[in-house]
Amino acid sequence: EVQLVESGGGVVQPGGSLRLSCTASGFSFDDYGMHWVRQAPGKGLEWVSLISGDGGGTYYADSVKGRFTVSRDNSKNSLYLQMNSLRTEDTALYFCAKVLASGIWGQGTLVTVSS
Amino acid sequence: QSVVTQPPSASGTPGQRVTISCSGSSSNIGSNNVYWFQQLPGTAPKLLIHSNNQRPSGVPDRFSGSKSGTSASLAISGLRSEDEADYYCAAWDDSLSGRVVFGGGTKLTVL
Repeated sequence: EVQLVESGGGVVQPGGSLRLSCTASGFSFDDYGMHWVRQAPGKGLEWVSLISGDGGGTYYADSVKGRFTVSRDNSKNSLYLQMNSLRTEDTALYFCAKVLASGIWGQGTLVTVSS
Repeated sequence: QSVVTQPPSASGTPGQRVTISCSGSSSNIGSNNVYWFQQLPGTAPKLLIHSNNQRPSGVPDRFSGSKSGTSASLAISGLRSEDEADYYCAAWDDSLSGRVVFGGGTKLTVL
């Protein structure tokens, strides 16, 4: 079964850091680019970042560029999002997703930035 | 504010046909494929349409997508109560070097 499972969410103070993980199973992980997409409470979907299958290409939304870093470890079938200098507006449910046309998304991990 | 615009709400009665629009520009919808997602409360988005008008297996043919120029539409025919959800369009944007843009979402209410 193709599956994505996120972890690492939690409560963090403004200015703090958090590292999210996404573990993949059921497909050849290194063949696919992977996205992070977030959804603030009661709001719409916002694309955050993309990393290519080999990790050589990374892309970011303007809202997180310079603060977030996406990476992957293909030997572990894992995707990561290192989030630094967190702001209250980063509070959201964070989803990882296989290439958009696949329709494969995780269930999300909640990040709350609050003092 | 998203660079891709959707109406915030839409509604219809059971059995009706409803359409949801998605308006963009030449750098996103005008030059790239459009995706449509359905999101029920508390769940991850579900892919309804990819490549403008292609349904993944398992998606009922009541759902259809189309694109013309810099706009796209999702049509739902034979509306059912379980179709009440949020709907999002998305596309790559060439002006944003490798980035994806989502529409703001449309809340569909089945009356």
